[in-house]
Amino acid sequence: DAGITQSPRHKVTETGTPVTLRCHQTENHRYMYWYRQDPGHGLRLIHYSYGVKDTDKGEVSDGYSVSRSKTEDFLLTLESATSSQTSVYFCAISESGSGGTANTGELFFGEGSRLTVL
Amino acid sequence: RKEVEQDPGPFNVPEGATVAFNCTYSNSASQSFFWYRQDCRKEPKLLMSVYSSGNEDGRFTAQLNRASQYISLLIRDSKLSDSATYLCVVVGGGFKTIFGAGTRLFVKA
Repeated sequence: DAGITQSPRHKVTETGTPVTLRCHQTENHRYMYWYRQDPGHGLRLIHYSYGVKDTDKGEVSDGYSVSRSKTEDFLLTLESATSSQTSVYFCAISESGSGGTANTGELFFGEGSRLTVL
Repeated sequence: RKEVEQDPGPFNVPEGATVAFNCTYSNSASQSFFWYRQDCRKEPKLLMSVYSSGNEDGRFTAQLNRASQYISLLIRDSKLSDSATYLCVVVGGGFKTIFGAGTRLFVKA
């Protein structure tokens, strides 16, 4: 299994509080991603990173920010958590695709972080 | 219309049965296709890629129909351990990777 760990694995917090989820990889993969998974929806991309300090928005980025100061760590921050952000969050990694830019779709996921915002 | 659509199921089949799932996609320029498996309360894991010519991995066969814009997954001789949610994944240009919402399979003894 790919070396990806997420922390915390479970968190309950209150509306308006800041929350940071951490993803740590030992595979030295260039690309890292944060997804959320909700019933009835596929995994939806929040933000992704294609290198240290290189990040970009996904399809559901509002209310989230990310940082990547080291190859192995990718942090997801909810500045002021809302109940709509109650979800399961998955970190994923991938090697670069052809040309060094394309996502090949072969992703390795962490075990997930279950966040409940009351 | 969703970019990637799957029948959510659940599909309830007996052990030994053959079951097939379809997944349709809307972007005709999509380039790569995959099936992932996700066990209850676990992370998704890559099951197999889907090639234009079709491909097989043991009891699992994946096929792509570009003209009709769908991919399929066939599972033969179902095992109890095949019970899971199967996610269809379609990749377009750049980082546009779209996950379907998944099809749930229950294999019964």
